[in-house]
Amino acid sequence: QVQLVESGGGVVQPGGSLRLSCAATGFSFNNGIHWVRQAPGKGLEWLAYIGYDGNRKYYAESVKDRLTISRDNSKNTVDLQMNSLRPEDTSIYYCARDLDNYYYIAYWGQGTLVTVSS
Amino acid sequence: EIVLTQSPATLSLSPGERATLSCRASQSISSHLAWYQQRPGQVPRLLIYGASNRATGIPARFSGSGSGTDFTLTISSLEPEDFALYYCQQRSTWPISFGQGTKVEIK
Repeated sequence: QVQLVESGGGVVQPGGSLRLSCAATGFSFNNGIHWVRQAPGKGLEWLAYIGYDGNRKYYAESVKDRLTISRDNSKNTVDLQMNSLRPEDTSIYYCARDLDNYYYIAYWGQGTLVTVSS
Repeated sequence: EIVLTQSPATLSLSPGERATLSCRASQSISSHLAWYQQRPGQVPRLLIYGASNRATGIPARFSGSGSGTDFTLTISSLEPEDFALYYCQQRSTWPISFGQGTKVEIK
């Protein structure tokens, strides 16, 4: 079955960087992948998308200058590089798979918690 | 950037009642809308895509309607497991965006 497992979360100081990774199994990895976050007690915020071949990338306006999404199809992984982190970036970060490249989200990982604090 | 506004923020209903949730887009998004359910402590689950298509395994009591700027998620008869948070999401224009959510709580 489809599984998405995020890693790389943790505590980071304001201004720091973090690289999140998403390992995918159970499907042929020819789908687009999204990153979505959810601050504690808050709603969902879409962050970034990468197409199946890595050529199409889109970002939320609020974070586009600080995030870089990439994928390695030989390893079935998608990474999210986050720079200049702020306390308001504290959230659970979810990796999620497209619904057959329709840009809806069919499968979600369990998330990794990022805490930005001094 | 398209803004999705969900209403009401909270819906207080009893099991067996009908729930009607609204999502309004700041500009036309055709039928490019999805609905998700998030139960406490769980990840979101896709319910409806393309405004009215139920995702795999979703019970028939969930239905979606609308096009353009106004959309509705209807739960015909609330089951205990339906008391949760619901989000709409548009994929018409990048960047993708979510609504702020509607909480369906037990009255």
